[in-house]
Amino acid sequence: AQSVAQPEDQVNVAEGNPLTVKCTYSVSGNPYLFWYVQYPNRGLQFLLKYITGDNLVKGSYGFEAEFNKSQTSFHLKKPSALVSDSALYFCAVRDPSGNTPLVFGKGTRLSVIA
Amino acid sequence: GAVVSQHPSRVICKSGTSVKIECRSLDFQATTMFWYRQFPKKSLMLMATSNEGSKATYEQGVEKDKFLINHASLTLSTLTVTSAHPEDSSFYICSARDLRGSTEAFFGQGTRLTVV
Repeated sequence: AQSVAQPEDQVNVAEGNPLTVKCTYSVSGNPYLFWYVQYPNRGLQFLLKYITGDNLVKGSYGFEAEFNKSQTSFHLKKPSALVSDSALYFCAVRDPSGNTPLVFGKGTRLSVIA
Repeated sequence: GAVVSQHPSRVICKSGTSVKIECRSLDFQATTMFWYRQFPKKSLMLMATSNEGSKATYEQGVEKDKFLINHASLTLSTLTVTSAHPEDSSFYICSARDLRGSTEAFFGQGTRLTVV
């Protein structure tokens, strides 16, 4: 079975500082990995994905993530946090075969303080 | 990216009544859509997989007679919460994937259901 873990419920960072939101995964085979962001009472917005190729993937709003196979991690990063980045972030994994649903981590609330 | 529209965004209903939530893929056809439920400060729980032209597949523990799913066309799936109770109050989100080329799923705006 596929699963993802987000070890931090909450991450606080000062505006302008780099941010990292952690994610580790457990899958059989090669994973499709995703990051989504959710603002209050809204659906999820796609940020970025890792399918294959370069381990460092760049996404929307200046976010990037690094796929690390040996550590089974896919941490989300941004060099300089903005107050508007404050939201709930979800890491997700999907079985590459077929049109399968996403399996989500529990989410990490990011708070960027001015 | 592809657009998924969900309606209504917010609904309040009385206990015992039914509520229908619509999920539409606006610029692509979706033979499969997924319905999730999100509890406060919790992650998204997959409820069911909606299949166009056939029965939905429900996850373990989800009552299919309570959460009726209909996927009558390639762009519309509906979730009906029947005989709603306060414990059904939650945030419901649908998603779909444009199989023409994208690997990521796109989500509707979500529906906040409050049963009073």
